[in-house]
Amino acid sequence: LAKTTQPISMDSYEGQEVNITCSHNNIATNDYITWYQQFPSQGPRFIIQGYKTKVTNEVASLFIPADRKSSTLSLPRVSLSDTAVYYCLVAGNMLTFGGGTRLMVKP
Amino acid sequence: DAGVIQSPRHEVTEMGQEVTLRCKPISGHDYLFWYRQTMMRGLELLIYFNNNVPIDDSGMPEDRFSAKMPNASFSTLKIQPSEPRDSAVYFCASTPFERGTDTQYFGPGTRLTVL
Repeated sequence: LAKTTQPISMDSYEGQEVNITCSHNNIATNDYITWYQQFPSQGPRFIIQGYKTKVTNEVASLFIPADRKSSTLSLPRVSLSDTAVYYCLVAGNMLTFGGGTRLMVKP
Repeated sequence: DAGVIQSPRHEVTEMGQEVTLRCKPISGHDYLFWYRQTMMRGLELLIYFNNNVPIDDSGMPEDRFSAKMPNASFSTLKIQPSEPRDSAVYFCASTPFERGTDTQYFGPGTRLTVL
């Protein structure tokens, strides 16, 4: 079972780049890594997914080292509306959400 | 598409009562998941279905919890009898193909309060 570990919270300021790292030491060969964003009173929403190396979309980048035991979600130039909880999900044979990282973006 | 639909959005009940939560997945999605979210335990997978068949219910906390999916467009999560520690937000999610590798689409959740 691939347990994931994330920082509980992070603070940032508008316009800065934010990097949130998730540790998943027991990741299995067929596990993908997915990140979700959750606002209060809403369900989690997909941000990005990857298997190895680097993935980039219009909202974020995901960096996965060769050993795949961790992954880093990178949010470029955050704004106040990026204040949310970010979850790392390792999926394959089992679905394991991390505890979530509460990101607070300050003006 | 309206997305994943859950009802009710809020439920307040008394200990010992039966509670039924409902979910309508996105049409065409083969997988359906039920999650529970609390401050203490975060987001926990309770059970998931593939083509209406329960595949893994190892996350269901105890026998008081049961889930069914009688057809591709409807699922229920039932708690009988309910207890105060069942108070949480329950999410339903669906995904089209490969479990876990495809994006999960979450519903808005049902906030359950058991007094």
